[in-house]
Amino acid sequence: GENVEQHPSTLSVQEGDSAVIKCTYSDSASNYFPWYKQELGKGPQLIIDIRSNVGEKKDQRIAVTLNKTAKHFSLHITETQPEDSAVYFCAARGGGADGLTFGKGTHLIIQP
Amino acid sequence: ETGVTQTPRHLVMGMTNKKSLKCEQHLGHNAMYWYKQSAKKPLELMFVYNFKEQTENNSVPSRFSPECPNSSHLFLHLHTLQPEDSALYLCASSQGIGPSSYNEQFFGPGTRLTVL
Repeated sequence: GENVEQHPSTLSVQEGDSAVIKCTYSDSASNYFPWYKQELGKGPQLIIDIRSNVGEKKDQRIAVTLNKTAKHFSLHITETQPEDSAVYFCAARGGGADGLTFGKGTHLIIQP
Repeated sequence: ETGVTQTPRHLVMGMTNKKSLKCEQHLGHNAMYWYKQSAKKPLELMFVYNFKEQTENNSVPSRFSPECPNSSHLFLHLHTLQPEDSALYLCASSQGIGPSSYNEQFFGPGTRLTVL
């Protein structure tokens, strides 16, 4: 089955700086890579996703890149704000799978 | 508000109790999922249902019993649980499933379960 590794587990950045979270996956047939943000007491919420036929996608301050050859994908947040503080999860859907395989999460802390 | 609701939000139960978790989605989706979220571990997929039929059981112990009476409702029946089953149980839904369908999953807020 699919295996997803996520780094770092904790990331602290100054407000206004950029944050980058990286994930690798094992199943070369994986075709869908979403990123979720989870705030305290809430379920994960989808913030951006990328399909396997696209190398990069951007939505305002958030961007995701995918390198299929290396089997890794990254989340980039620019001009970070206090409300960006949360736990971020990457995920992948392996070939033939119905559900998602998640990384362990990154606790992003935005320092004022 | 994602359109997926879960009740109860918090549950404390003894190892001999029987309880049920409920999930309801108001998005017109056809697929529903149960995930387990434990501290310091990735979200673990437990079950997948599509059009009320179970399509995936991720080697979950039989003390967890899912039920999907229709595409809008999903239950997780619990009996003789262990303390290590304490976790946040998350429900999600999506339009469809399958490798050719890129379906966003929408999560509910979860039920925080504590087994004493």
